[in-house]
Amino acid sequence: AQSVTQLDSQVPVFEEAPVELRCNYSSSVSVYLFWYVQYPNQGLQLLLKYLSGSTLVESINGFEAEFNKSQTSFHLRKPSVHISDTAEYFCAVTFLTGGGNKLTFGTGTQLKVEL
Amino acid sequence: KAGVTQTPRYLIKTRGQQVTLSCSPISGHRSVSWYQQTPGQGLQFLFEYFSETQRNKGNFPGRFSGRQFSNSRSEMNVSTLELGDSALYLCASSLAMGQGRRGYGYTFGSGTRLTVV
Repeated sequence: AQSVTQLDSQVPVFEEAPVELRCNYSSSVSVYLFWYVQYPNQGLQLLLKYLSGSTLVESINGFEAEFNKSQTSFHLRKPSVHISDTAEYFCAVTFLTGGGNKLTFGTGTQLKVEL
Repeated sequence: KAGVTQTPRYLIKTRGQQVTLSCSPISGHRSVSWYQQTPGQGLQFLFEYFSETQRNKGNFPGRFSGRQFSNSRSEMNVSTLELGDSALYLCASSLAMGQGRRGYGYTFGSGTRLTVV
């Protein structure tokens, strides 16, 4: 079965500390991988994506994620978080089954950055 | 470049009524998808349209329907509203479909928050 798992529903962290948000998926076919961020009362913003090539992808605001095929993971990391990073983060997967572009989302991780 | 525009932003309806939500994709984007977001079920795929044709459909009852127009704008309709239909409905657009272009990544609108009372 194809699924996406975000094990941590909430991650509290102090400002300037590192953080890792975990994402695992289950699939028998190839995948495209995404991380989206959602601020209160807003839609989803694409943070970064893995389609092919280098397994380490970076965003413009300091986040990075690494595709690990053997562990079927796509964890999101940031070496030093800021208060403004407080938001909900969603891992999403497109399973390349020959159908459309549908995204399957994880349940989300609420990142709370504290002073 | 304008983003994905969803109207209205907020909507309150009564059980049994029907509702139509609108989505204008980014100019040049031909693929439009709809998602429902609720605290209990999270983000769930509703349907995907490309070139006015429904290409993919999620596991929702027939009360949920949609369409796409020749200018790529899309609408979704929910008939006979139930309390459980209260949710944030998100529209997303993407450049194209097809094996070589999949995974461009969707750009989402701010959503329409529907409350059914």
